[in-house]
Amino acid sequence: EAQVTQNPRYLITVTGKKLTVTCSQNMNHEYMSWYRQDPGLGLRQIYYSMNVEVTDKGDVPEGYKVSRKEKRNFPLILESPSPNQTSLYFCASSPSSYNEQFFGPGTRLTVL
Amino acid sequence: AQSVTQPDIHITVSEGASLELRCNYSYGATPYLFWYVQSPGQGLQLLLKYFSGDTLVQGIKGFEAEFKRSQSSFNLRKPSVHWSDAAEYFCAVVWMDSSYKLIFGSGTRLLVRP
Repeated sequence: EAQVTQNPRYLITVTGKKLTVTCSQNMNHEYMSWYRQDPGLGLRQIYYSMNVEVTDKGDVPEGYKVSRKEKRNFPLILESPSPNQTSLYFCASSPSSYNEQFFGPGTRLTVL
Repeated sequence: AQSVTQPDIHITVSEGASLELRCNYSYGATPYLFWYVQSPGQGLQLLLKYFSGDTLVQGIKGFEAEFKRSQSSFNLRKPSVHWSDAAEYFCAVVWMDSSYKLIFGSGTRLLVRP
């Protein structure tokens, strides 16, 4: 089944404790991206990757890191999480930036 | 600057009634347009998209949308709403300039009265 998977689905952590949210797709898509969803703000892009080893900042990259060492995986790293990073996070993949995005199920992160 | 506006934060309709959700965008480059739906606790699913051609596009679940370039709009419609349509709906636009940047609207939450 074609899908985007994210882990974990739910995470509660404390300020400053490094965490990684994994994202994997099995559709051989070139393009992957991370979004955060906050009430009243829609989805805002954090980082995106046009291909392996090619990543770039989206609209809200501060406090986040990404890497794209393999085509299928695009982890999101929070080196020192803060409470303002409490949000719902979505990973998405697509054949290109201007095609349909395929979304993962989301990761709800709470930073205390 | 590129922007996507969904002016209605919430909309409530009765089951069986018609529905129209509004989406407007700004910026002059050619847009590619999408509508996504997010059911409670779920990820986003594509309802329909417009790249070119016939400006009235059909999507899944009985939805359609019409691209009106003169009004910079891409409104989503459904002739008869079902209770299962209760969800949040997002309009998204990619501008076909050098950035190929995808921007989402802030969403419209649809409530369906029995």
